[in-house]
Amino acid sequence: NAGVMQNPRHLVRRRGQEARLRCSPMKGHSHVYWYRQLPEEGLKFMVYLQKENIIDESGMPKERFSAEFPKEGPSILRIQQVVRGDSAAYFCASSPAGAADTQYFGPGTRLTVL
Amino acid sequence: GESVGLHLPTLSVQEGDNSIINCAYSNSASDYFIWYKQESGKGPQFIIDIRSNMDKRQGQRVTVLLNKTVKHLSLQIAATQPGDSAVYFCAEIPSGGYNKLIFGAGTRLAVHP
Repeated sequence: NAGVMQNPRHLVRRRGQEARLRCSPMKGHSHVYWYRQLPEEGLKFMVYLQKENIIDESGMPKERFSAEFPKEGPSILRIQQVVRGDSAAYFCASSPAGAADTQYFGPGTRLTVL
Repeated sequence: GESVGLHLPTLSVQEGDNSIINCAYSNSASDYFIWYKQESGKGPQFIIDIRSNMDKRQGQRVTVLLNKTVKHLSLQIAATQPGDSAVYFCAEIPSGGYNKLIFGAGTRLAVHP
């Protein structure tokens, strides 16, 4: 039973480029959450999605960041025109419908902006 | 603003001793609390959870205590092992908060042989 999968595990981008982070939830899970973690800090909530719907995006920066969770395929966190301050670890978590409290995390994508 | 914080950033213990990691929370409306363990280069791993209608919950070698009066949460690890070395986070979900986790800053647990 595969856990939450994220790819790539490491991503290097130059300033101004786009970063696309992918998350495949656990089998049977329809809720996806994205979090960002800076070094030596706790995780910060970004966005909560269900299939084809954004439920809560209160933690998303107003510009350059977007997220989707299509009917088919993984959830995507997209960062346009990356800046050095975007360098962080981005974690995805998923939970099954009806048990949204228990979130299981993926291994994360470590984004480095040069 | 509402936040979850930790008293100690680093905790060093001897192998075999018991460890206690503390956490203070400020949102009295939170009704669900979780402890996560994060090893270097990995995602947070669920350890144990507790709801606000409970004071104590036990798992395998771990116990979580919740004191709502002083808004305090603790994680007790019995017979600490080298494999327990990691950063531990407490997290809360405020009621009506769309299930978004609010994490504390973390405590690093170092287990020495």
